[in-house]
Amino acid sequence: NAGVTQTPKFQVLKTGQSMTLQCAQDMNHNSMYWYRQDPGMGLRLIYYSASEGTTDKGEVPNGYNVSRLNKREFSLRLESAAPSQTSVYFCATRQGKGGDEKLFFGSGTQLSVL
Amino acid sequence: GNSVTQMEGPVTLSEEAFLTINCTYTATGYPSLFWYVQYPGEGLQLLLKATKADDKGSNKGFEATYRKETTSFHLEKGSVQVSDSAVYFCAFKTSGGSYIPTFGRGTSLIVHP
Repeated sequence: NAGVTQTPKFQVLKTGQSMTLQCAQDMNHNSMYWYRQDPGMGLRLIYYSASEGTTDKGEVPNGYNVSRLNKREFSLRLESAAPSQTSVYFCATRQGKGGDEKLFFGSGTQLSVL
Repeated sequence: GNSVTQMEGPVTLSEEAFLTINCTYTATGYPSLFWYVQYPGEGLQLLLKATKADDKGSNKGFEATYRKETTSFHLEKGSVQVSDSAVYFCAFKTSGGSYIPTFGRGTSLIVHP
C-alpha cells in the first residue's frame, strides 16, 4: 500500500535554481495539499487542490507554483529557490467528507537552499 | 482570526509517566478538532478526533475531550512508552467551506526508558 509518495526525499539547491517536488497518490482522493514545516512554525499550507483541474492558494504561496496534472499527481515547483524556502515539504490527501475527513501525508521532502 | 495554541516543548517524561499536552483554539462556529502525530522521519498521521462538544476522541491509549466552554482539546495518556516519542500536532477545521485544517506548532514528546 503506497498511499502518498513524495520524491525526492532530500534535495540541495543553490539560490536561484529551480526544481519540482513530485507527489502521487493511489487512494483515489479528490483533494490534495502541499504544506511546509519549519521549526517552531508547525505546518503552513502552501497550495491545495480540491479536485482535478483546480488549485487554490494557501497561507504561504509566494515563490511557489503548483500543477494538478491528473487525479493522482500534484506537483510543487520552485522557479527560483531562495534560502527562506529551506524547509521540509509534505504532500497530503483528504479522505472522506461531512465531519469524517482525515488527511494522509507523505513522508516529506527535506529541501536545503544554499 | 482562527488559530491553535499548543504548549511548547519538548516535553520530557520517563516511561509510564502521565502525559498532558495542552491545546486551545480560537475559531468561529463549531469546529472539528484533531490530534495528529509525527514519528521521526515520517509524515503526520491522524491520532484521534472529535466533532462536537463533549465528544471524547481516543486511540492507542491517548484521549482528548472537546471542551467548548474552555475552547480546549488537551491530549492525555495515562502511561507513556518510549515508542510514543514523536511530535504531536493539534488541529481544527471549521464547519462549511473547503476542508483546510489549521495546525498548531507541534509539541515534541521525548520519553526516556
